[in-house]
This record gives sequence, structure tokens and C-alpha cells, in this order.
Amino acid sequence: EAEVAQSPRYKITEKSQAVAFWCDPISGHATLYWYRQILGQGPELLVQFQDESVVDDSQLPKDRFSAERLKGVDSTLKIQPAELGDSAMYLCASSLARPGLAGPYNEQFFGPGTRLTVL
Amino acid sequence: QKEVEQDPGPLSVPEGAIVSLNCTYSNSAFQYFMWYRQYSRKGPELLMYTYSSGNKEDGRFTAQVDKSSKYISLFIRDSQPSDSATYLCAMRGGGADGLTFGKGTHLIIQP
Repeated sequence: EAEVAQSPRYKITEKSQAVAFWCDPISGHATLYWYRQILGQGPELLVQFQDESVVDDSQLPKDRFSAERLKGVDSTLKIQPAELGDSAMYLCASSLARPGLAGPYNEQFFGPGTRLTVL
Repeated sequence: QKEVEQDPGPLSVPEGAIVSLNCTYSNSAFQYFMWYRQYSRKGPELLMYTYSSGNKEDGRFTAQVDKSSKYISLFIRDSQPSDSATYLCAMRGGGADGLTFGKGTHLIIQP
């Protein structure tokens, strides 16, 4: 069964350091999402890609966070510099969603996440 | 006030009981309503989704949406210890594709 892959699964870093997370969506999925889930909270959308283009990054803290999906397949989320408050689970999801695609709903499939601890 | 409110629990019930999980929301543009299950240290997995108001049943799970009250529910019948997890409600609509989640309810089914 196809799955969303993420790496690393766990990352410990010190504040002010740079960190990067990688996501490989399900093959053929045009839309890719990055969510952040703080312990005890629900996931919050950080950025959404349609192919290689950013569709929504309104909740991405752009002073320190960046995301790219250069070839419209896998994606990288970077934090520089990391802060204590960035400690969270970073989840990647993908879906078939594409403007004009038949069907109003496209399930978002989530990866296992990367758990980040900033010391 | 957050757009989606969900009691974080924990909710502890004996095996075999009927479980009721609920969310309220404030954004009337939401049209698609989902329930995800998340085990510890795992990503969320979709359990059920409903479009607009109504009921939907899948095995032991029933999802209900009441848009007039901005209230959604998930019922689990004949609960099992393997159902112990965090249950997240999620919604989308108004042209946005990203999901808005509740905090999640931590459910414990006691054997």
C-alpha cells in the first residue's frame, strides 16, 4: 500500500541551529501539505503545494521557515534558526486534489511525522 | 475562540460501551467534515468523512453532522481496547483545501 514517507522520524537540535525535514508523497498526488502539531493540539496547516507551486503559506512563519517542492514531487521544510517553541511533530500529507478534478473531496493521507525537539 | 472546539479528555470507558465524541465549530463555510484517528507517535489516519449535514455509518462507526447547530459527532459502538487513541475532528470549506483540526480527544477503552 502506498504511503507518505518522511525523514527523519526524530530530530533533536539546539536553538539557533538549522533543521530540515523531507517528505515523499504518494506517487501521483499533486497536492502536498505540511502541518505542525504541538503536543496536545491538533495539526495546523503551514503550507500547501499544488505541484511545485505554493498555494497557501499564510500560516508559515516566513522569517525562519521555508518550504520547497522543486520538481513537484518530494518536498523539504526548513527551519533556520530553530527556537524552543518550534518543538512539535511536523506532518506531511498528500492528496489527489487538483483544480477541476472530478469529485469534491480528496482524502489527505498523512505520513508518520518528524518529531522535533529544540533544546 | 478557535474555529473548532473539541474536548481533549481523556475519556475513559469500559470495553463494549458506546462512545460519543463531539466537536463544535464557528465557520459556516465548512462543508466537509472528517474524523481522524491518531495513535501515539503516528500520523493521523482518516476514519470517516461527511459532506454537509447528515449521517454516515461504517461498521462500528457513525458520523453525524448538524450544520444548523455547527455540531459534529462520532459514535463508536462495541468499543474495543484497540480503539484507544486520539480522535481528531477536521473540517474544510470556503474554497480552502487545508484542514482545520480540533485539539483531539484522547480515548481510553478499558478491557
